[in-house]
Amino acid sequence: AQKVTQAQTEISVVEKEDVTLDCVYETRDTTYYLFWYKQPPSGELVFLIRRNSFDEQNEISGRYSWNFQKSTSSFNFTITASQVVDSAVYFCALSEGTTSGTYKYIFGTGTRLKVLA
Amino acid sequence: GAVVSQHPSWVICKSGTSVKIECRSLDFQATTMFWYRQFPKQSLMLMATSNEGSKATYEQGVEKDKFLINHASLTLSTLTVTSAHPEDSSFYICSATLGWTSPYEQYFGPGTRLTVT
Repeated sequence: AQKVTQAQTEISVVEKEDVTLDCVYETRDTTYYLFWYKQPPSGELVFLIRRNSFDEQNEISGRYSWNFQKSTSSFNFTITASQVVDSAVYFCALSEGTTSGTYKYIFGTGTRLKVLA
Repeated sequence: GAVVSQHPSWVICKSGTSVKIECRSLDFQATTMFWYRQFPKQSLMLMATSNEGSKATYEQGVEKDKFLINHASLTLSTLTVTSAHPEDSSFYICSATLGWTSPYEQYFGPGTRLTVT
């Protein structure tokens, strides 16, 4: 069963528009961590934000903001005033513990964002 | 801090040969390292989890004899693709955790692009 769902496969916006990327997750754990990563064409994953299951405080960092809602199991990401350099694939990931004691990531399928000049 | 490197960044090899990819944690000791595979326009797929000094744990469907993983030290893990075939061409990404301080967060290497001709 899909545990991290990014329903938006591809989004195209015009520069300066705001865009929200959706992420819905599923877990039975009470302690878990959520992440957003950006993957530009170079391929290297760029860390954007981490949230643990006990911290529902939403955050704004420059043009980026995040909305974490446990009630709906969602962890959405908004870019305000998008720029061409924001064009990339964005991955949402859930980190949860395993029976062996390690944590594993479950990645969503990614959302490809294209910002047009 | 928490920098992970991979070498080489890209490699081309002939069908039937073996190729080794190195993953190093540069400024920390990584008790656990992970290897992922990513096909074009797809998400990251976990191949295996390796702990220093012990055998790697492979995900279901990953051929252990084809993808040899060695985690010889707390800063180095290697992935060897044996008898490579064109279908093994992919982007391989490793990651590492900061041990017991934050086992839930992975730090990613820049990836290695493998092309088998």
